[in-house]
Amino acid sequence: EAQVTQNPRYLITVTGKKLTVTCSQNMNHEYMSWYRQDPGLGLRQIYYSMNVEVTDKGDVPEGYKVSRKEKRNFPLILESPSPNQTSLYFCASSDFTYTEAFFGQGTRLTVV
Amino acid sequence: DAKTTQPPSMDCAEGRAANLPCNHSTISGNEYVYWYRQIHSQGPQYIIHGLKNNETNEMASLIITEDRKSSTLILPHATLRDTAVYYCIVRGLGSNYKLTFGKGTLLTVNP
Repeated sequence: EAQVTQNPRYLITVTGKKLTVTCSQNMNHEYMSWYRQDPGLGLRQIYYSMNVEVTDKGDVPEGYKVSRKEKRNFPLILESPSPNQTSLYFCASSDFTYTEAFFGQGTRLTVV
Repeated sequence: DAKTTQPPSMDCAEGRAANLPCNHSTISGNEYVYWYRQIHSQGPQYIIHGLKNNETNEMASLIITEDRKSSTLILPHATLRDTAVYYCIVRGLGSNYKLTFGKGTLLTVNP
């Protein structure tokens, strides 16, 4: 089954404690992306990757890092989380045919 | 990418067709219209997309006006499980493949 898997689904952490949200896809997609969703602001792109070792900033990259060492994985790293990064995060993947994007089930992060 | 306008909410009776409108009056010639939906706080789900011809798949139909300035997503027989926020997105070729989500339409299917 084609899927994008995010872990963890829920996370509560404290300010400043480094964390990583993992994202993995099984469709051999070149393109992967991270979004955050906040009430009233919709989904906003954080970072994206066009292929292995190729990443770039989206609309709201501050406070986040990503890496793409393998095609299937695209982890999101918060090196020093702050309360304003409390949000619902989604990973997405697609190929380069401009058809559908597949989204993970989301990670609800709370930073206290 | 062109901006889209959707009504904030709509209701539909179970078993009836749900017709969700979207205005994209500034769409340019190489921009596609995409529809996604998000059920509660799950990951967005692709529904359908089109350029200028009407499209149909197992989930829905997409009707794009001849001038391409608006479109309608049709769910032919809405069920309670179709209650979700529906997003109309316009995306052009050559972008970073980013999907720009607006506020969408909350469709509530009533029994």
